[in-house]
Amino acid sequence: SQTIHQWPATLVQPVGSPLSLECTVEGTSNPNLYWYRQAAGRGLQLLFYSVGIGQISSEVPQNLSASRPQDRQFILSSKKLLLSDSGFYLCAWSAPGRVVGELFFGEGSRLTVL
Amino acid sequence: GQSLEQPSEVTAVEGAIVQINCTYQTSGFYGLSWYQQHDGGAPTFLSYNALDGLEETGRFSSFLSRSDSYGYLLLQELQMKDSASYFCAVRGTTDSWGKFQFGAGTQVVVTP
Repeated sequence: SQTIHQWPATLVQPVGSPLSLECTVEGTSNPNLYWYRQAAGRGLQLLFYSVGIGQISSEVPQNLSASRPQDRQFILSSKKLLLSDSGFYLCAWSAPGRVVGELFFGEGSRLTVL
Repeated sequence: GQSLEQPSEVTAVEGAIVQINCTYQTSGFYGLSWYQQHDGGAPTFLSYNALDGLEETGRFSSFLSRSDSYGYLLLQELQMKDSASYFCAVRGTTDSWGKFQFGAGTQVVVTP
């Protein structure tokens, strides 16, 4: 069966520090991968999505970046965090090359920037 | 681009029926999905409609009308554990076929 893991679950970072969130998927090949951010009490904002290695689409211009070094690994990074980067970050995957409506989410990473 | 609208909050008593509407505007469209999210947790998939009509999964049903760009999620026999946020989402087409966009979410509050 397929599983998705992301880490760390919680982190507190000072303004201006770097960030790295990692997500891995097991049990499937060539998944579509996604990073979403959710502010407290708000909806899910799509940050990046990838339909394959080296193919990353950015939805929101900001100080975040994403990389997909391996087929089932997706990393969210920042060189210098801002206060506004605080939120709940969710990694997700969907089945490759199929018109399906299901996204599978990781457990989430709660980031607080002070 | 894509935009989705859904009510911000709905309150109902246990055993009641709740309908959460979702209207969308999109340049392309594969289907409408629904997700449930409890406080502090990750969203979980509930249902997906690619064609017009009603899809039933236990106490939850979802409906889609492509001609009206409208769908809804129906929660029947409400239970306290159904208190959560519910999101509709659309999947893009053509050059953005891999992209899922979400509505702002509807907070459902179930009271005894």
